[in-house]
Amino acid sequence: SQQGEEDPQALSIQEGENATMNCSYKTSINNLQWYRQNSGRGLVHLILIRSNEREKHSGRLRVTLDTSKKSSSLLITASRAADTASYFCATVKYSGGGADGLTFGKGTHLIIQP
Amino acid sequence: DARVTQTPRHKVTEMGQEVTMRCQPILGHNTVFWYRQTMMQGLELLAYFRNRAPLDDSGMPKDRFSAEMPDATLATLKIQPSEPRDSAVYFCASGASRDPTDTQYFGPGTRLTVL
Repeated sequence: SQQGEEDPQALSIQEGENATMNCSYKTSINNLQWYRQNSGRGLVHLILIRSNEREKHSGRLRVTLDTSKKSSSLLITASRAADTASYFCATVKYSGGGADGLTFGKGTHLIIQP
Repeated sequence: DARVTQTPRHKVTEMGQEVTMRCQPILGHNTVFWYRQTMMQGLELLAYFRNRAPLDDSGMPKDRFSAEMPDATLATLKIQPSEPRDSAVYFCASGASRDPTDTQYFGPGTRLTVL
């Protein structure tokens, strides 16, 4: 079952602008990850943030985590046409010697207009 | 360039037929996951294995789905008999439990259509 919700479901912006996507989840987590899916392809891992962290950066990506509100946001700065894709947050819990399977949100479809 | 491979990439079959999907995880990865993606339900975890042992298959319809890892280089997902509601994209992903980033590496998926 879906753990959380992404907001917005779809986002269209101009190239060069910043894109912000939000994700909410329901249960306690060990970490939260963001993945990208290009049309018709598999998912690609973007960034991980642990439950004891509040903010992480990786290149043009910035992710925040608020465990009190059970929410996370992904910011893509200076967007490019190649960033057009669907973006999913996924939560992780640990058991049995490692991470359990991912629980995904519904995703945000991002379109970058040239 | 290590990657997860899945076969077949596309499968069209008729209701009632058996479907077998195969996955080759990245060499050295000890955890394999099966996910299903549909428009209505999104991405759902079906089952996963660690060191070839099944850890959780609670996401699978037990009466018709089965997942196995005959060896460390092959994972299979079988549907028998298939039904139209099984139409979806099935993804395999692999990871290493010692990886501190818990990254899962996804295959390209098998697009299944059951008529």
